[in-house]
Amino acid sequence: DTAVSQTPKYLVTQMGNDKSIKCEQNLGHDTMYWYKQDSKKFLKIMFSYNNKELIINETVPNRFSPKSPDKAHLNLHINSLELGDSAVYFCASSQDGGYTFGSGTRLTVV
Amino acid sequence: GQQLNQSPQSMFIQEGEDVSMNCTSSSIFNTWLWYKQDPGEGPVLLIALYKAGELTSNGRLTAQFGITRKDSFLNISASIPSDVGIYFCAGGEGGSYIPTFGRGTSLIVHP
Repeated sequence: DTAVSQTPKYLVTQMGNDKSIKCEQNLGHDTMYWYKQDSKKFLKIMFSYNNKELIINETVPNRFSPKSPDKAHLNLHINSLELGDSAVYFCASSQDGGYTFGSGTRLTVV
Repeated sequence: GQQLNQSPQSMFIQEGEDVSMNCTSSSIFNTWLWYKQDPGEGPVLLIALYKAGELTSNGRLTAQFGITRKDSFLNISASIPSDVGIYFCAGGEGGSYIPTFGRGTSLIVHP
């Protein structure tokens, strides 16, 4: 069983479209995150949710809206996609400091 | 905010060589984590360090939590081709912290 699974693995879409990335964790962790990894491989925290509540919202355009229907899921919806949104997006979960990452969603905006 | 300097940025080595990389911080951390990211995958935790001066091994990997709590290093002995990937350090303040990640060290091992 995959501990942190995110879908889709690859997403190619046109500028201006709206898209969603889904994430689920089966580890029973309380906290989930979204990270963005740019072309230079820098990992930047975007959002953090603890038990379905937003606790961290870094400087991210409000076109990005996370949603956590329950503590095992944290989805990321992106409106009006721009070229600069192209990156790999990682979901992660943690409990007591132990971090587990998903395998990433490579988003390409054309 | 906190900044982590990770070096070197990239390394090209021959199989069998030992590798050393390090991270330094402008702030004190209570936790140091080392991750490896394989191509097309997410980072995977290699070693976690929770105490200043702590030296921990995981197979051919050894990591140390610096005494000043502002640095950490990772050594890989007798490298093999599957060691290829990007290695990230991350420093945290413990508990429900959000760790700060370094910019990664890209390792290429030539057979």
